[in-house]
Amino acid sequence: EAQVTQNPRYLITVTGKKLTVTCSQNMNHEYMSWYRQDPGLGLRQIYYSMNVEVTDKGDVPEGYKVSRKEKRNFPLILESPSPNQTSLYFCASSRTRQETQYFGPGTRLLVL
Amino acid sequence: GNSVTQMEGPVTLSEEAFLTINCTYTATGYPSLFWYVQYPGEGLQLLLKATKADDKGSNKGFEATYRKETTSFHLEKGSVQVSDSAVYFCALFSGSARQLTFGSGTQLTVLP
Repeated sequence: EAQVTQNPRYLITVTGKKLTVTCSQNMNHEYMSWYRQDPGLGLRQIYYSMNVEVTDKGDVPEGYKVSRKEKRNFPLILESPSPNQTSLYFCASSRTRQETQYFGPGTRLLVL
Repeated sequence: GNSVTQMEGPVTLSEEAFLTINCTYTATGYPSLFWYVQYPGEGLQLLLKATKADDKGSNKGFEATYRKETTSFHLEKGSVQVSDSAVYFCALFSGSARQLTFGSGTQLTVLP
């Protein structure tokens, strides 16, 4: 089954404790992206990747890092989480950036 | 820059009622337009899309027509069901953009 998976689905952490949210797709897509969803703001892009070892900032990259060492994986790293990063995070992938994006189920993060 | 404006929610309807969710956009060039749907606890999934002026996207009884003269892409359904309860996002992608631009989302609740 074609899908985008994210782990964990729910996470509660404390300020400053590094964390990683994993994202994996099994569709051989080149383009992958991370979004955060906040009430009244829709989805805002954090980072995206056009292919292996090619990443770039989206609209709200501050406080986040990503890497793309393999085509299928695109982890999101919060080196020192802060409460304003409490949000719902989605990973997405598509064959190219212009084509329909497929979204993961989301990761709900609470930073205390 | 590009932007998408959706009607504010939440929207509550009775089963079999007619649905309209307004969406207008600002974009350079000739964007592609999308409606994504997010069911409770799930990621976003594409509902329908249109890639050029006067195109009509349709799926699962939902329709939206790309109106370039009014820069709009309103979502309609003639008879909603309880299972249509979800959050609906309008989005655009233009050739000069690096990303999808989302509206803020509209929560729809359909009561039996």
